[in-house]
Amino acid sequence: AQSVSQHNHHVILSEAASLELGCNYSYGGTVNLFWYVQYPGQHLQLLLKYFSGDPLVKGIKGFEAEFIKSKFSFNLRKPSVQWSDTAEYFCAVNARTGTASKLTFGTGTRLQVTL
Amino acid sequence: DGGITQSPKYLFRKEGQNVTLSCEQNLNHDAMYWYRQDPGQGLRLIYYSQIVNDFQKGDIAEGYSVSREKKESFPLTVTSAQKNPTAFYLCASSTRPFWADSNQPQHFGDGTRLSIL
Repeated sequence: AQSVSQHNHHVILSEAASLELGCNYSYGGTVNLFWYVQYPGQHLQLLLKYFSGDPLVKGIKGFEAEFIKSKFSFNLRKPSVQWSDTAEYFCAVNARTGTASKLTFGTGTRLQVTL
Repeated sequence: DGGITQSPKYLFRKEGQNVTLSCEQNLNHDAMYWYRQDPGQGLRLIYYSQIVNDFQKGDIAEGYSVSREKKESFPLTVTSAQKNPTAFYLCASSTRPFWADSNQPQHFGDGTRLSIL
């Protein structure tokens, strides 16, 4: 069965530190990959997505993610975090088989950025 | 402003009762989705609809039912058959199924928290 793993459940960083959140999935076929963010008291929002092409995807607010097919990974990165990046981050994978699709979310990583 | 409205924000249910969660969007989106969020488990897809009068089961459809009689509305009924209904329920929509087109972001509502009395 398809699964998505986010190994870091809670990450605490100081402002200006670099961020990397891990996301690994288990599915051997065609996938679409997503990172969502939920800021405190706000809706879940799409941060970035990968469908095809350049495996290094740039999203909003300086975030980027790299799809490494051989490692089944789609890690989220930001060179220098800000206090306003405090939020919960969800990785999601859509596995495509013909015309069928199945979306699976990871359990989320809570990021806390301290001043 | 366009968006997704979920109501109520908090809902309480007695054992054995069915309860319906409302989701309305004025974004003119074709596709709508229902997710369930439990602590430590992330989001799981319950049902989705790609167009009016059509809907498909997601990963955890047992104990739930939906209808899509109007484009803007996708209500979710939590039936008494759902053994563990206490959760946070999120509704989302996109212009077309987001996996079908790389330019279609999903918009999410504020959610409904359902609790069993």
